[in-house]
Amino acid sequence: AQSVTQPDIHITVSEGASLELRCNYSYGATPYLFWYVQSPGQGLQLLLKYFSGDTLVQGIKGFEAEFKRSQSSFNLRKPSVHWSDAAEYFCAVGQGTGTASKLTFGTGTRLQVTL
Amino acid sequence: GAVVSQHPSRVICKSGTSVKIECRSLDFQATTMFWYRQFPKQSLMLMATSNEGSKATYEQGVEKDKFLINHASLTLSTLTVTSAHPEDSSFYICSAAPGLVRPDTQYFGPGTRLTVL
Repeated sequence: AQSVTQPDIHITVSEGASLELRCNYSYGATPYLFWYVQSPGQGLQLLLKYFSGDTLVQGIKGFEAEFKRSQSSFNLRKPSVHWSDAAEYFCAVGQGTGTASKLTFGTGTRLQVTL
Repeated sequence: GAVVSQHPSRVICKSGTSVKIECRSLDFQATTMFWYRQFPKQSLMLMATSNEGSKATYEQGVEKDKFLINHASLTLSTLTVTSAHPEDSSFYICSAAPGLVRPDTQYFGPGTRLTVL
C-alpha cells in the first residue's frame, strides 16, 4: 500500500528566509506526486505535480520540488518565503493511472512565517 | 479554469437529521469525483470515489449506508450524511478529476464544515 510521510508537523521560518518541506513516499511503481496548500477553512490548491521527466518541478507561487527516486523523497522548496505562504502543506501520492488516481495524503506540515 | 464549488460551505444540523452536500465542477466535465473527510488539524482521508452513472466505491471502514453518494451527471456529485450524529461533525471536501483530458489531476472544492449538535 502506498503511504506518505511528512516528518515535520510544524515549521516556523522568517519572512525572506528559504524553506524546505520534507516528504517521503512509499509506492511500488513510479509514483505520481503532488504538493497541495490549504489555507485555514479552505480547500486544497495544487502547487505542483510530478508525473515523469525532469525531476525538478516548478510550481505556482515560486515553489519547486525535486523528485529523488533513490531517497523516495519529493521535498518542496522556496528560496524566499512571504508572510502569505503561512498555511498547511500536504504532500500526496497518486495511485493508478487512467482517468483519475486515488490520492494518499501525508499528515501535513503547518508553516508559520514570522515577520 | 478548473473550478470546483461546494454547497453549502457551512451547515449546522440536529442529531438524527440528514444533510446533503453538493459538489459541482463549474467549467469542466468530471469523469470522477472524490469525497474526503478532514478532522481538525489532520490530513484528508478518502471516503469514496464516484464515477458518473456508476455506484460509488467506498474506502474500507466507510459506511456506504451512512454516507450516500450520487454522481448523476458529469458536473455534479452529492454526499448525503444520513441520520447525522455529533461524531460525523467534520470538514468534508470533494475533488473532481477531468479524466482523460488531464489524467491524474484533481481539483478540490473549498470544503463544507458540518456541525452536528
